[in-house]
Amino acid sequence: QSALTQPASVSGSPGQSITISCTGTSSDVGGYNYVSWYQQHPGKAPKLMIYEVSNRPSGVSNRFSGSKSGNTASLTISGLQAEDEADYYCSSYTSSSTIFGGGTKLTVL
Amino acid sequence: QVQLQESGPGLVKPSETLSLTCAVSGYSISSGYYWGWIRQPPGKGLEWIGSIYHSGSTYYNPSLKSRVTISVDTSKNQFSLKLSSVTAADTAVYYCARGWLSSNYFDYWGQGTLVTVSS
Repeated sequence: QSALTQPASVSGSPGQSITISCTGTSSDVGGYNYVSWYQQHPGKAPKLMIYEVSNRPSGVSNRFSGSKSGNTASLTISGLQAEDEADYYCSSYTSSSTIFGGGTKLTVL
Repeated sequence: QVQLQESGPGLVKPSETLSLTCAVSGYSISSGYYWGWIRQPPGKGLEWIGSIYHSGSTYYNPSLKSRVTISVDTSKNQFSLKLSSVTAADTAVYYCARGWLSSNYFDYWGQGTLVTVSS
């Protein structure tokens, strides 16, 4: 059971859009629509941003969106803001288990 | 508002058993959902440890299964984690969280507690 693959870092300027990828296999990301995304600021607990590939919990900005194609899921953040600078983790269901990605550090330039 | 709070020793000796409890407020565990433990070694990513359904059914990370026990105490509205035979590699911030069994995501998280394994 290997971790999902995410880029170590991405960056963008305020107002721009960025996309973070999350690559798995047909046994996890590709096999189920149970991909979620979490935002984590330093020293804080993770916060759910997207669930079931593309659904946003109440209170999460519509600047955050999720999608999936084959074995790769993606998180897109539009209109980047300074407060979006954080670590982002994807997660997927697999065989009665949960796996996370290695995390992506988003820097807002 | 659902709140979760981890508690337990911050220092555990190698080869001993790590024990943590998660107290839940604002929601009755016996009413549903599933309840999980996730950890994060310093400077590293998240790792799912395991989860328990309110009925008592458990699900564990295969890589930790032989050392993990998760239990629920509905009378106290809390659930617990025991991790045996710990080593320095088990040093991490441990989070408890509320999850959705059907969709496999965690919507409410505790603030986390750092557990250091050292003699």
